[in-house]
Amino acid sequence: AQKITQTQPGMFVQEKEAVTLDCTYDTSDPSYGLFWYKQPSSGEMIFLIYQGSYDQQNATEGRYSLNFQKARKSANLVISASQLGDSAMYFCAMREGIDGATNKLIFGTGTLLAVQP
Amino acid sequence: GAGVSQSPSNKVTEKGKDVELRCDPISGHTALYWYRQSLGQGLEFLIYFQGNSAPDKSGLPSDRFSAERTGGSVSTLTIQRTQQEDSAVYLCASSSPLQETQYFGPGTRLLVL
Repeated sequence: AQKITQTQPGMFVQEKEAVTLDCTYDTSDPSYGLFWYKQPSSGEMIFLIYQGSYDQQNATEGRYSLNFQKARKSANLVISASQLGDSAMYFCAMREGIDGATNKLIFGTGTLLAVQP
Repeated sequence: GAGVSQSPSNKVTEKGKDVELRCDPISGHTALYWYRQSLGQGLEFLIYFQGNSAPDKSGLPSDRFSAERTGGSVSTLTIQRTQQEDSAVYLCASSSPLQETQYFGPGTRLLVL
């Protein structure tokens, strides 16, 4: 069964430092997509970055990069040069398959990141 | 509109009443999804629409929950005879035919007293 595991319930990081949020996944489907979302205290889910299972290179979006290690089934999010506004809950999610029968996302339990000045 | 919109933003209801939650997806997005976020259960998938049909309803927790989508756009999630355990944030998302990414609305916070 598909599963997403985020083992860090909470993390602290100093402003301007880099931080890595861990995510491992389990799937038997050769085709899947991995996503990271940010949820600030206001509650909205903000899309950060996407990695497809067949993508050869790690995804990057500004200060966000995804450290995709397919053999280890991990998809860690790296935030460089942390800012106070990065303080939020971060969710890793996975979508299996490409046949369109279901496009549901399976979410991890989230990591609460606190950026300290 | 520019993003996914949901209404109402907050809803307080009494146990046993019916509620309707509305989602207006991003223009041109053919896929629409409902999720629920609660303290005990985290983020759970409820239902997925492609156009007006729902190929995957596997996440609806009981027959008190139903959803429809009309005109390939607006969707309504209906909860009949609400229970206290239905209290949660109900999130709607949409995606375009050309992209996998799901974009979320601000959610409806439902409290059942």
